[in-house]
Amino acid sequence: DVKVTQSSRYLVKRTGEKVFLECVQDMDHENMFWYRQDPGLGLRLIYFSYDVKMKEKGDIPEGYSVSREKKERFSLILESASTNQTSMYLCASRLSGVPYNQPQHFGDGTRLSIL
Amino acid sequence: AQKITQTQPGMFVQEKEAVTLDCTYDTSDQSYGLFWYKQPSSGEMIFLIYQGSYDEQNATEGRYSLNFQKARKSANLVISASQLGDSAMYFCAMRLTQGGSEKLVFGKGTKLTVNP
Repeated sequence: DVKVTQSSRYLVKRTGEKVFLECVQDMDHENMFWYRQDPGLGLRLIYFSYDVKMKEKGDIPEGYSVSREKKERFSLILESASTNQTSMYLCASRLSGVPYNQPQHFGDGTRLSIL
Repeated sequence: AQKITQTQPGMFVQEKEAVTLDCTYDTSDQSYGLFWYKQPSSGEMIFLIYQGSYDEQNATEGRYSLNFQKARKSANLVISASQLGDSAMYFCAMRLTQGGSEKLVFGKGTKLTVNP
């Protein structure tokens, strides 16, 4: 079974802090994704990466950056946390070049509160 | 614009009955895929079922089936014989390809409550 592990289930940080959210997958997947989930808005894509050191902006990249130094690890960085970044963050991964019916596999999510 | 619309913020169903969760999509692509995910209160996203745009048969996976009507651009999820454990958020998503990579566009979700 694919395992996508997010480093924290719950995180509380202060406004202005630099925040790191870590995601690790154990299945050698090329594609990795960071989503943000807010009530009534569904999931929105922040950034994705289709290979080591490669990254692409998603729909809401402002205020975020990412790092992919190793294939299995994809980090989301809040450069200067603000209260409007309080949210649930979900990481996902998927193997490249497989049949289209193969889904993205998600971690359990990190509930981040910015005070 | 490529988007997914789920018009039912919340749905209620009696245990053992069937329920349909609505999903409509908008895309100009000829090749696309539609996914349904379940998210229990614990937060993890669980993949349920997939329908490709060229699939002629409606997808089925156990108690889950997808009522795919391409001309209407709808991909409704049907859950048969509802169980208490089906209470969760349900998200419809569309796969879009972008260059050599892909992304999913999600709807806002439907909260399903199964009553005993």
